[in-house]
Amino acid sequence: AQSVTQLGSHVSVSEGALVLLRCNYSSSVPPYLFWYVQYPNQGLQLLLKYTSAATLVKGINGFEAEFKKSETSFHLTKPSAHMSDAAEYFCAVSLTTQGGSEKLVFGKGTKLTVNP
Amino acid sequence: EPEVTQTPSHQVTQMGQEVILRCVPISNHLYFYWYRQILGQKVEFLVSFYNNEISEKSEIFDDQFSVERPDGSNFTLKIRSTKLEDSAMYFCASSGTGVPPLHFGNGTRLTVT
Repeated sequence: AQSVTQLGSHVSVSEGALVLLRCNYSSSVPPYLFWYVQYPNQGLQLLLKYTSAATLVKGINGFEAEFKKSETSFHLTKPSAHMSDAAEYFCAVSLTTQGGSEKLVFGKGTKLTVNP
Repeated sequence: EPEVTQTPSHQVTQMGQEVILRCVPISNHLYFYWYRQILGQKVEFLVSFYNNEISEKSEIFDDQFSVERPDGSNFTLKIRSTKLEDSAMYFCASSGTGVPPLHFGNGTRLTVT
């Protein structure tokens, strides 16, 4: 069964520093993988997605993630953190249901704090 | 850019009462979903809906829950008799083809007292 593990429930970085949020997945078939961001009191916004094309995926707001099959990882990075990046980040894997629709299985989330 | 809209943004209800959470998915989308997020926990799948019927539901989605697409634009989640443990943020989502990415609404925060 597909599952996602996010290492670190809280990550704190200084403004301008590298952001690295870790995600490992478990999947019996080539997965679709996603990163969503949730700003305070808001919904889930898609940051980026991997759908078996390029292994390095670029998303919005300068974020990118690299799919590494050998490591079953899909870590999210941003070279230089901005105060506005403070939010909770969710990694998710897609699972095809018996009914034919897709559902997402989410990790527990990583709360990113950016210090001035 | 079209978006999924949910109303109300916050709903407070008493235990045992019925609540209906409303969603307007993106207009040309065909697959609809409800997810929930209990405070401090992960986002969990509740149900998917396609072609006017449930295509998949989780163990959470018991007989107290139901979904409906009463017209061509709304998608609702009903909880018949709310319990304290139903307190959570409920997210509606839709997709055009059944393949992610799903587009999420901003959520309805349900508080059961």
